[in-house]
Amino acid sequence: GAVVSQHPSWVICKSGTSVKIECRSLDFQATTMFWYRQFPKQSLMLMATSNEGSKATYEQGVEKDKFLINHASLTLSTLTVTSAHPEDSSFYICSARKDRGLGNTFGSGTRLTVV
Amino acid sequence: TQLLEQSPQFLSIQEGENLTVYCNSSSVFSSLQWYRQEPGEGPVLLVTVVTGGEVKKLKRLTFQFGDARKDSSLHITAAQPGDTGLYLCAGVKAGNMLTFGGGTRLMVKP
Repeated sequence: GAVVSQHPSWVICKSGTSVKIECRSLDFQATTMFWYRQFPKQSLMLMATSNEGSKATYEQGVEKDKFLINHASLTLSTLTVTSAHPEDSSFYICSARKDRGLGNTFGSGTRLTVV
Repeated sequence: TQLLEQSPQFLSIQEGENLTVYCNSSSVFSSLQWYRQEPGEGPVLLVTVVTGGEVKKLKRLTFQFGDARKDSSLHITAAQPGDTGLYLCAGVKAGNMLTFGGGTRLMVKP
């Protein structure tokens, strides 16, 4: 089966610092990965589409300079929250799309708390 | 504005009852997926429906895709406490991009 590993599962950081979240496809190559944000008791909101070897495509309203996405290999995408503020505290989830097929497999999410 | 309207947003029922969750949109999707999410975890795919009018069954869960591929429903028969969770529908468009509904938080009381 397709497995996506997300790390860390939770992180607490000080306001003004940067945090990097990793999303790895463990047993398949993912040319495309997606990053979502989920506030408590709400649904998932797509932040950006990460394409291997090219720039990410950000959804309207998402600051690309604040949420840096790098997809340097077919198995790894990273999301860096730069100069984090308390309002960035949220649950961040990635998903990876297999090179072929219909499926998206989700990571287990990262709970970010900015204090 | 959610492109996918999911209802109800919250549902609390007793064990053994039946329930239906609806997912409606004005957009046509190539397929539609249903996920279940536990607190602190990522969504887990339950089913993908592709063909208009398609019905899929997963034990006590029945999923239906509307004829026009704009809406879907999830019916749970004889709900159990283990069914408690957040149920999300997601419309699939080109490039496997997902648009999520607002979610239905289900609580099944023993």
